[in-house]
Amino acid sequence: SQELEQSPQSLIVQEGKNLTINCTSSKTLYGLYWYKQKYGEGLIFLMMLQKGGEEKSHEKITAKLDEKKQQSSLHITASQPSHAGIYLCGADLASGYALNFGKGTSLLVTP
Amino acid sequence: ETGVTQSPTHLIKTRGQQVTLRCSSQSGHNTVSWYQQALGQGPQFIFQYYREEENGRGNFPPRFSGLQFPNYSSELNVNALELDDSALYLCASSYNRGRSSPLHFGNGTRLTVT
Repeated sequence: SQELEQSPQSLIVQEGKNLTINCTSSKTLYGLYWYKQKYGEGLIFLMMLQKGGEEKSHEKITAKLDEKKQQSSLHITASQPSHAGIYLCGADLASGYALNFGKGTSLLVTP
Repeated sequence: ETGVTQSPTHLIKTRGQQVTLRCSSQSGHNTVSWYQQALGQGPQFIFQYYREEENGRGNFPPRFSGLQFPNYSSELNVNALELDDSALYLCASSYNRGRSSPLHFGNGTRLTVT
């Protein structure tokens, strides 16, 4: 079974709309990372969250970590076509060196 | 600052053959991790190298092996290729091992096994 579940699996939003992607873990989170991937390319690091209640923002993207609920959310405000891609959450689930990843959320932003 | 670079970008091999993939880490990074990403899936951890020593390994058979060199670049070797080895292989480097150092990924090598 998947240790990190992402929802939704895919998302189509109109340009200018807000959206939220969720990442839920079946185990205790020791650090949560958000990445963006263009199709067939490498992962681009967005944000790292390490403490429960932590919230970080970069441009129009905000990520929060709810450690007690073992989940994180990624919120995009006023989406743009440049936000399109696959968003992946990765977490250290106790190894100290390996990240487990969700399957990703595919985002398409239409004009 | 140069990012993580991987070579080659694409590779086609036949079942049973061997392959070597290469990775140059980002400047100042001493840790390299390798991940396998099948189509439609998240990356799966293969192994990590820290200062030329294997620091951890995922659930991959011994025919997956690696090296890290004194300049922190790295190789991933896969012997006796199987069809299921077809995937995007991602290399990531980090400033140090441990949870506080985020991974920075290269663009990957797309391996197709026929």
